[in-house]
Amino acid sequence: GQQLNQSPQSMFIQEGEDVSMNCTSSSIFNTWLWYKQDPGEGPVLLIALYKAGELTSNGRLTAQFGITRKDSFLNISASIPSDVGIYFCAGQLGGGTSYGKLTFGQGTILTVHP
Amino acid sequence: NAGVTQTPKFRILKIGQSMTLQCAQDMNHNYMYWYRQDPGMGLKLIYYSVGAGITDKGEVPNGYNVSRSTTEDFPLRLELAAPSQTSVYFCASNPAGEVYEQYFGPGTRLTVT
Repeated sequence: GQQLNQSPQSMFIQEGEDVSMNCTSSSIFNTWLWYKQDPGEGPVLLIALYKAGELTSNGRLTAQFGITRKDSFLNISASIPSDVGIYFCAGQLGGGTSYGKLTFGQGTILTVHP
Repeated sequence: NAGVTQTPKFRILKIGQSMTLQCAQDMNHNYMYWYRQDPGMGLKLIYYSVGAGITDKGEVPNGYNVSRSTTEDFPLRLELAAPSQTSVYFCASNPAGEVYEQYFGPGTRLTVT
């Protein structure tokens, strides 16, 4: 099946710094999604990307759908302590037979020091 | 709307016991999913359903069963619990059609000893 390689696995940064993480795949995806998971909670959708080359922002978060459709990245600007958590990328093949199924990356654990 | 709800929040099972993890959504979503999340790993799809009465296997279905008698509910059944099933289980739903954004429940943390 499809595999997503997400990097880095973990990041330790100071408050105010910018963060960048990415996902790559050997398969082409039609949709890329980025989720954040707080401790003890379910993943929460941050950004959804539906078109190759698309660049989408959500507050301090910016994500891009790679031109090759095999990668995506997420940037967080001016990090704050509440950005702490695990960030997951997820790819979706799309189309009638995919039934919305997602393939997830392994996650990036973000720690922000005040 | 409550969104996606899961019960229980935590459970400890002995090897060989059975249990049902409950999942419900009040958003009238057609598609529902069960995932497991092991430490340091992403989410793996166990089973999914595209509507009442229709279910199919995901990536890791062994040891689990599901049913979907209503649009709202999608329970996950463990028949003979094994230590390898110790994990956090998440249920998710998706309105289907052109929208592929899955919405997750808070999870059930299961320990099998």
